[in-house]
Amino acid sequence: QQQVKQSPQSLIVQKGGISIINCAYENTAFDYFPWYQQFPGKGPALLIAIRPDVSEKKEGRFTISFNKSAKQFSLHIMDSQPGDSATYFCAAREGYTGGFKTIFGAGTRLFVKA
Amino acid sequence: DTAVSQTPKYLVTQMGNDKSIKCEQNLGHDTMYWYKQDSKKFLKIMFSYNNKELIINETVPNRFSPKSPDKAHLNLHINSLELGDSAVYFCASSQKAGLAGGEETQYFGPGTRLLVL
Repeated sequence: QQQVKQSPQSLIVQKGGISIINCAYENTAFDYFPWYQQFPGKGPALLIAIRPDVSEKKEGRFTISFNKSAKQFSLHIMDSQPGDSATYFCAAREGYTGGFKTIFGAGTRLFVKA
Repeated sequence: DTAVSQTPKYLVTQMGNDKSIKCEQNLGHDTMYWYKQDSKKFLKIMFSYNNKELIINETVPNRFSPKSPDKAHLNLHINSLELGDSAVYFCASSQKAGLAGGEETQYFGPGTRLLVL
């Protein structure tokens, strides 16, 4: 049972286009929603993150939109570039005895065509 | 300077063998993690340690045993390796186990690609 559902599984976008990746969750106890970017052969790296009391966060070409009532959030990549080709993971953090744990979505493989 | 390092990078071994993966972070972080990434890229937490204390132990077979000799190191020992253990194992660290509502960045190592034959 996936606690964080991510779609699409893969995405092909033309250079300069907008890439959109969507995620949904059920657990209202999640308190932090990061996005990680992973290039082939590398470990994931934090791209951008948002807290549920904020509806939108923008960092450069990357924007998270957060809809608390719908329990959905999405990543928008504006002016997509071939260098953005990677796997993107949405994630959600929940409390756990003694700390917190991060639950990842299944990932979206993005390919930006030159 | 590598923030989170893992050794070895590749590990090819026979079924039934015992192997270890080492992880070190030089970021001064309190919390360290082990994740397993399967062939479909699904990333799942296995263990988490905070200041050498185990705080998260997901439903992982007893054949997997983490050990944290100090705050900067978290090693993973795997006994009696099985074909299904083939995956990429990532170590990660973060500043704190997390404060309610606080932001947290996990820094991942480069991964250890384990192939069990």
